[in-house]
Amino acid sequence: QQQVKQSPQSLIVQKGGISIINCAYENTAFDYFPWYQQFPGKGPALLIAIRPDVSEKKEGRFTISFNKSAKQFSLHIMDSQPGDSATYFCAASKMGGNQFYFGTGTSLTVIP
Amino acid sequence: EPEVTQTPSHQVTQMGQEVILRCVPISNHLYFYWYRQILGQKVEFLVSFYNNEISEKSEIFDDQFSVERPDGSNFTLKIRSTKLEDSAMYFCASIWGLFGANVLTFGAGSRLTVL
Repeated sequence: QQQVKQSPQSLIVQKGGISIINCAYENTAFDYFPWYQQFPGKGPALLIAIRPDVSEKKEGRFTISFNKSAKQFSLHIMDSQPGDSATYFCAASKMGGNQFYFGTGTSLTVIP
Repeated sequence: EPEVTQTPSHQVTQMGQEVILRCVPISNHLYFYWYRQILGQKVEFLVSFYNNEISEKSEIFDDQFSVERPDGSNFTLKIRSTKLEDSAMYFCASIWGLFGANVLTFGAGSRLTVL
C-alpha cells in the first residue's frame, strides 16, 4: 500500500520559473511532513518540513503548502535555478514516530 | 557538520554471495535505519534498529537480511545470499531520538550490483 503518493514523476522548468511538486497521504495519524532533496550519487538530505498546525512554511525560495482537509501537501520552488536540478522526495511520519514513508520521487530539471 | 558514513561506496558481487554493508551513524544518534532505492525508484524502508534490536522491519527485509551493531559504532546490513533483484542503492540513516520533529540523516549510500 502506497502511504504517500507523489506527482509528477518528472518535471522540466525554465530558469526563473516555479516548480511545483505534489504529494497526498492517507493516514490521518501522520503529523510530520518533510521534503528531501537528492543529488545524483548522494543520499537524500532534508530540505524543509512542516507540521499540520500551519498551512504554509517558507524557507528562502522553498515553500511547503499544506491542506489538512484534503490530505495533500506540496513543494513550491520559486525562481528555480539549474542548481535545483535534483530528485525531490516527500515523506510523512508520525511526530516522534519511528518510520518514515517516502513518495516515489520527482526528478526536477531546471533549464538555463 | 556530523554525517552518516557508509562503506563501501560500490560493491559488485556474484549472485548467491554474502554481502556486508557498513555504516557509521552520527555518534549521539540512537535510532538507525536501512533504506533501499532501486535505480530511479522510490526510497523503500527496510529496517529500523534501536537499543541493539530491530524495532520495525518491512516485508522486503526477509530471512536473507540481518542487521547488527557489532561494536557500538558500526551498524551493518548483511545480505546472506544475494539475488539479482537485490541490486540497488542502500542507504543508512539515523535519528537522535523520537521527540519532536525528527531529522532523518542519510549517508551517501552503498551501491550494490549483483551479477
